[in-house]
Amino acid sequence: DTGVSQDPRHKITKRGQNVTFRCDPISEHNRLYWYRQTLGQGPEFLTYFQNEAQLEKSRLLSDRFSAERPKGSFSTLEIQRTEQGDSAMYLCASSLVADTEAFFGQGTRLTVV
Amino acid sequence: AQSVTQLGSHVSVSEGALVLLRCNYSSSVPPYLFWYVQYPNQGLQLLLKYTSAATLVKGINGFEAEFKKSETSFHLTKPSAHMSDAAEYFCAVSTGANSKLTFGKGITLSVRP
Repeated sequence: DTGVSQDPRHKITKRGQNVTFRCDPISEHNRLYWYRQTLGQGPEFLTYFQNEAQLEKSRLLSDRFSAERPKGSFSTLEIQRTEQGDSAMYLCASSLVADTEAFFGQGTRLTVV
Repeated sequence: AQSVTQLGSHVSVSEGALVLLRCNYSSSVPPYLFWYVQYPNQGLQLLLKYTSAATLVKGINGFEAEFKKSETSFHLTKPSAHMSDAAEYFCAVSTGANSKLTFGKGITLSVRP
């Protein structure tokens, strides 16, 4: 296993378009997290899953954002009707339930023009 | 609620000099504390973590940090800086209950030859 994988690495989209990102966690990890990082800031928590259940969502996750983890393996994060303020790095991380250490992917950088 | 304060946004040291990056936290429960490093356009890599065992924690690449409850601090140090240490460093806190991380704003470390 080569770690947490995110696709695409970069995405440029026009304002108003929908975008979807994918995250493949480390295979045996049952927790999966999404974070957003804007320029010059630390990552901010968006949501997390334990297996296929979405257990917590941040206030940052507006109704234009939706995340799924249908079979408890990979996850998708969709942003509808993108806005310029959505431009950020979207980071995915995974961990085991019993372990405090989260392993991060390389992120998807979204630019909304 | 929990939070992290990383004072200053940029630290510059000479190669071979001591590295000291400061982190103060706030947590209503005993915290788990982390330092992550991020290279440009990359995800986050864990340097070290404190999970209520030894207060002096040793990590990768020669870094270490000391948990001081009385000062609510978890400063990161390295005795001798190397050019390859130039990166952004994030301190993070979690309650351990679900491992959701709350990050500070980060500090950019520059190393002068």
